[in-house]
Amino acid sequence: DLQMTQSPSTLSASVGDRVTITCRASHSFGGWLAWYQQKPGKAPNLLIYQTSTLQTGVPSRFSASGSGTEFTLTISSLQPDDFATYYCQQYNNYGLTFGGGTKVEIK
Amino acid sequence: QVNLVQSGGGVAQPGKSLRLSCVASGFSFTAYAMHWVRQAPGKGLEWVAIISTDGNNKDYADSVKGRFTVSRDNSQNTVFLEMNSLGPDDTAIYYCARDSVIFYTVYYFDLWGQGTLVAVSS
Repeated sequence: DLQMTQSPSTLSASVGDRVTITCRASHSFGGWLAWYQQKPGKAPNLLIYQTSTLQTGVPSRFSASGSGTEFTLTISSLQPDDFATYYCQQYNNYGLTFGGGTKVEIK
Repeated sequence: QVNLVQSGGGVAQPGKSLRLSCVASGFSFTAYAMHWVRQAPGKGLEWVAIISTDGNNKDYADSVKGRFTVSRDNSQNTVFLEMNSLGPDDTAIYYCARDSVIFYTVYYFDLWGQGTLVAVSS
């Protein structure tokens, strides 16, 4: 099975910081990546799909890129509403898996 | 309003069964594949199952295959998850989720239900 490893698992940052979360695949895959934001007690919310496409309504401070085995989610200027847990998710012909999550905390 | 509203869940003893429901509103339900995703307490997300638009094609995670059954009633805009032979590892919040592209399956999810807790305990 394809494993997705996110780093860091926890990130402490301040409002206005540029934040980057990495998602590494156990091997290269031919599919794409999605990113979700989840706040406590709430369902996940789709931010990015097909590796780098911003979901409608998501602020432009969110961006993502990557290929092969390494993918990143970047928040260009962290806002108070962005403190949450972020998950990557891959899909390929052999299944669907999520990363373990990255919690973005207030520094 | 575009929405998925879940019901069902609760506490079940090991080996017992539960049924979850998810009612869609505000969009063309029959045009979207639907999924179930779960999240154990304090843990990450795990995909559970998918059902196609017409209900004829289904797939499951290995961890639930043979025990869980996904179905849908397009006349009632509802998707179900029947869970049998429940074990402690099935304890989680269960979410229904909409596949993101109409009349196609892309396996990422743009609309989620509010989640329902399933707790398996003796």
